Amino acid sequence: DAGVTQSPTHLIKTRGQQVTLRCSPKSGHDTVSWYQQALGQGPQFIFQYYEEEERQRGNFPDRFSGHQYPNYSSELNVNALLLGDSALYLCASSLNTGTENTEAFFGQGTRLTVV
Amino acid sequence: GNSVTQMEGPVTLSEEAFLTINCTYTATGYPSLFWYVQYPGEGLQLLLKATKADDKGSNKGFEATYRKETTSFHLEKGSVQVSDSAVYFCALISYYGNNRLAFGKGNQVVVIP
Repeated sequence: DAGVTQSPTHLIKTRGQQVTLRCSPKSGHDTVSWYQQALGQGPQFIFQYYEEEERQRGNFPDRFSGHQYPNYSSELNVNALLLGDSALYLCASSLNTGTENTEAFFGQGTRLTVV
Repeated sequence: GNSVTQMEGPVTLSEEAFLTINCTYTATGYPSLFWYVQYPGEGLQLLLKATKADDKGSNKGFEATYRKETTSFHLEKGSVQVSDSAVYFCALISYYGNNRLAFGKGNQVVVIP
C-alpha cells in the first residue's frame, strides 16, 4: 500500500515565479491537507480539500491556491513567489468520516527554495 | 482556537537516559492528541496517538497519556538511543475545531553516545 507521495522532492525557484506541488493521498483517503513548515518551526495549516473543493483555509494569502482531482490527488500552487515562501511543504491525507477526529498521514514533503 | 505548547529549547541527553518532552494544549471539543517525529530531511511520521481522556499511546518504547484535567500529553521514553535523535512535534485535531491539525513548535532531541 503506497502511502502519501509528493513530488517533486526538491525545487528551486526564482522570486516572482510560480510553482506547483503535487500530492497523491494514501489509498482509501479522500481528504488532502497542505502544511507549510518553515525552518525550525512546526507545520502551519494552509488549506484542506475534500470533494474537489477547498473546505478550510489557514492564514495564508490568495497567492496560495490549490486543486483536488476526482482521484483525490491534489496540487498546491503558489504565485508570485517570495523569499519567505522557502519552506518544506507537507501534504497530509485522511478519511472524512463526518463526525470523528481523523488521523492524518504525511508525505515526505517538497523542499522549496526561493532565490 | 486550538493550540499546542511544547517546552522551549532543544533536549540533549546521553544514551540510555530518560526522556520527557512536555506538551500542553487548548482545544475546542474533544480533541485527539498525537506525537509526530521528524528525522533530518524527512516528513512527519506518526509516533503515537490517544483519542480520549486517560488513553495511553505507545510505540517503540515511547509513551504519552492523555490528561484532560491538566490538558497535557507529555512524551516519555525510559532509555533513549542515538537513533531517537530527531525533532518531536505534539499535535491535536478536533472535529469541533474544524478538523485541522494544530502543531506545537517542536523539540529537537539529540542523543549523545
